[in-house]
Amino acid sequence: DTVLTQSPALAVSPGERVSISCRASEGVNSYMHWYQQKPGQQPKLLIYKASNLASGVPARFSGSGSGTDFTLTIDPVEADDTATYFCQQSWNDPPTFGGGTKLELK
Amino acid sequence: EVKLVESGGGLVQPGRSLKLSCAASGFSFNDYWMGWVRQAPGKGLEWIGEINQDSSTINYTPSLKDKFTISRDNAQNTLYLQMSKLGSEDTAIYYCARERDLPYYFDYWGQGVMVTVSS
Repeated sequence: DTVLTQSPALAVSPGERVSISCRASEGVNSYMHWYQQKPGQQPKLLIYKASNLASGVPARFSGSGSGTDFTLTIDPVEADDTATYFCQQSWNDPPTFGGGTKLELK
Repeated sequence: EVKLVESGGGLVQPGRSLKLSCAASGFSFNDYWMGWVRQAPGKGLEWIGEINQDSSTINYTPSLKDKFTISRDNAQNTLYLQMSKLGSEDTAIYYCARERDLPYYFDYWGQGVMVTVSS
């Protein structure tokens, strides 16, 4: 299976820019997607196919990358962005998720 | 408004079976792939499987293929997950989600249903 590696946690101050990385163990083309999950809630789609903003998602969120290295950027970070962020690849079978990056605000 | 509501969870003894349901509304159910994802307590997300519009294609993650069965009833706008031979490792929140094909991502998720496997 394709392993997606994410940093476990990040802490940033409101108003700053943060980049959350996701590295795949093998190429996934551009079939990388990002989700936000707040405590006690279901995941919510943020970015699909590496760089496409999902409907209703603020333009503060953006995605980039291809192949094996991908980044979710939030600029500027707001207090409401406290959550865990998961990447998911759907190029290789079976689809897999990263372990998640917990974003905390200082 | 797209709505997905899971049901059927609860406490189940090891080795037993359980069937989850996901009632869909607010969109044309028979036009979409659907999928299941689970999340063990305090852990990350695990892709379980997916089913296409007419049930002709069903894919599973290999480790669960012999235990779980995904099905759907388009007349009832309902997705199902039949789980058998349950063990403590299957304790998790189970989410159903609508899947967009090519490049296959989940654009709407249900609120999830908890399954606890314990004697």
